[in-house]
Amino acid sequence: SQTIHQWPATLVQPVGSPLSLECTVEGTSNPNLYWYRQAAGRGLQLLFYSVGIGQISSEVPQNLSASRPQDRQFILSSKKLLLSDSGFYLCAWTRTGGNYGYTFGSGTRLTVV
Amino acid sequence: KNQVEQSPQSLIILEGKNCTLQCNYTVSPFSNLRWYKQDTGRGPVSLTIMTFSENTKSNGRYTATLDADTKQSSLHITASQLSDSASYICVVDTGFQKLVFGTGTRLLVSP
Repeated sequence: SQTIHQWPATLVQPVGSPLSLECTVEGTSNPNLYWYRQAAGRGLQLLFYSVGIGQISSEVPQNLSASRPQDRQFILSSKKLLLSDSGFYLCAWTRTGGNYGYTFGSGTRLTVV
Repeated sequence: KNQVEQSPQSLIILEGKNCTLQCNYTVSPFSNLRWYKQDTGRGPVSLTIMTFSENTKSNGRYTATLDADTKQSSLHITASQLSDSASYICVVDTGFQKLVFGTGTRLLVSP
């Protein structure tokens, strides 16, 4: 069966510090991978998605970047965090093509102080 | 502008009662509509997926309906349980790697 792992679960970082959130998927190959952010009282916002190794599409210009160094690994990064980067970050995957369900990770609560 | 609106914003019901959550969308193109359950501090979990041609889809005590003409969907929960307390999110998939999320309905099932 397929599983998605996302860590850490919570993170408190000072303004200006770097960020690295990691997401891995097991039990499948060539998944589509996604990073979402959920701000309080708002719907999930797509940040990045990837349909293959080294391929990244950015949806929202921001202080963040993403990378996919391996087929089932997706990393969200920042060189210098801003207060506005605080939020709940979710990684998700889905199979390529068709109306497949999106499976979400358990999320990372990031607080920038 | 692609939008998914959900109502009510929050809802409190007694355990054992039924409830219906509403979703109106203005999203194009449309590939499918999904309902998710999200517990506080957790990732969303899929409940149902409906394509354009499907009017209803059930998953246990959850039944979703879709009216593609009026662009409305509902999620009906039967015989609610305490564990149903969560946020329920309506999501429209455009089919181009983009999901449009509603802000959710926060349901509290009270004993």
